[in-house]
Amino acid sequence: QQQVKQSPQSLIVQKGGISIINCAYENTAFDYFPWYQQFPGKGPALLIAIRPDVSEKKEGRFTISFNKSAKQFSLHIMDSQPGDSATYFCAASSGGNQFYFGTGTSLTVIP
Amino acid sequence: KAGVTQTPRYLIKTRGQQVTLSCSPISGHRSVSWYQQTPGQGLQFLFEYFSETQRNKGNFPGRFSGRQFSNSRSEMNVSTLELGDSALYLCASSLSITSARDEAFFGQGTRLTVV
Repeated sequence: QQQVKQSPQSLIVQKGGISIINCAYENTAFDYFPWYQQFPGKGPALLIAIRPDVSEKKEGRFTISFNKSAKQFSLHIMDSQPGDSATYFCAASSGGNQFYFGTGTSLTVIP
Repeated sequence: KAGVTQTPRYLIKTRGQQVTLSCSPISGHRSVSWYQQTPGQGLQFLFEYFSETQRNKGNFPGRFSGRQFSNSRSEMNVSTLELGDSALYLCASSLSITSARDEAFFGQGTRLTVV
């Protein structure tokens, strides 16, 4: 059973546009929600993370929106650039470094 | 500062064989976790080690095992390899496993192909 559900599976955005990726979870014990970016041939790299005591966190062009009551969180990439083209994973954890990952979103930003 | 180092980067093994993968965490990091990444199942947690002790284990058969040494380096072993074990195996390290949620850094992975 997929503990974290992620959508869409793939996303194509024009340069300068906003990319939005959504995730949902069921386990209310989750208390840490990171987003990872992965380029081909590389390991995932942490982009931004949030804890459920805040509803939004922004770092540069990347923003996480978190809705605790709906058990949903999303990643917004503002002013998307071709260099942002990668696979994005949401994840959740209730302790340590045991993460439950979403299935990934392949983002393509076209010039 | 050097990142997480995984060796080897690529490996081809035959069904029934066993394999050992190695992970050297970032200097000073004491927590190491392992993940299997496949196109069909995505990223799945294998196990986590801290101070040479396994702290958590994912839902994988007993053919998958691991250990951590006193210098925090970790190895994972897969015995009696099956075709379905073909995957990218990723190691992640962090300072600790406290609730402070230290950032986890991933290595580039070991690509295992079972033929």
